[in-house]
Amino acid sequence: DAGVIQSPRHEVTEMGQEVTLRCKPISGHNSLFWYRQTMMRGLELLIYFNNNVPIDDSGMPEDRFSAKMPNASFSTLKIQPSEPRDSAVYFCASSLGRGRDQPQHFGDGTRLSIL
Amino acid sequence: GQNIDQPTEMTATEGAIVQINCTYQTSGFNGLFWYQQHAGEAPTFLSYNVLDGLEEKGRFSSFLSRSKGYSYLLLKELQMKDSASYLCAPSKAAGNKLTFGGGTRVLVKP
Repeated sequence: DAGVIQSPRHEVTEMGQEVTLRCKPISGHNSLFWYRQTMMRGLELLIYFNNNVPIDDSGMPEDRFSAKMPNASFSTLKIQPSEPRDSAVYFCASSLGRGRDQPQHFGDGTRLSIL
Repeated sequence: GQNIDQPTEMTATEGAIVQINCTYQTSGFNGLFWYQQHAGEAPTFLSYNVLDGLEEKGRFSSFLSRSKGYSYLLLKELQMKDSASYLCAPSKAAGNKLTFGGGTRVLVKP
């Protein structure tokens, strides 16, 4: 079975550019999560969706970050304009169900470097 | 808010046992997950506890005490491939939201 699929795997771009990260969750999963991981701050939840609806975006660092989930099989995380401090590994995860705990399954991540 | 505390690093010998402790202060606590993350890879699910007590899964076991805000992950018969970071993640009752601890890096030596 296909797991969570993220693209691109690596992205290097100059500050000020727009960056779009993509995620395809596991089919049938109705919860989707975006995380950011750095050495300094560890693994942080940015935003999560249930049934394509954003539930909690309190972890989104600022207005430069936005996330959408137009349908059950696709989500994007956009940074505009990007800054060097946004350099991190961004993970997407999905899980089955809401209201009871289910394991989250992570994609391989996008390694983002902003120069 | 949340406060999660786990050791930064532990070293053990192949074949030995290591116990990784995690204490947490989580409002609306529901259950606790443990994830494994090898360097340069994604976290993968190891175990989940919602009731007090020990859950055993092969070489790995996880324990939870809800009243003490305490959990541990026990790794037995350590193998070199167990060298990784282990992340403690309490969940909040309101739907599957996890907060991850900083992780414990375990180094297994021959």
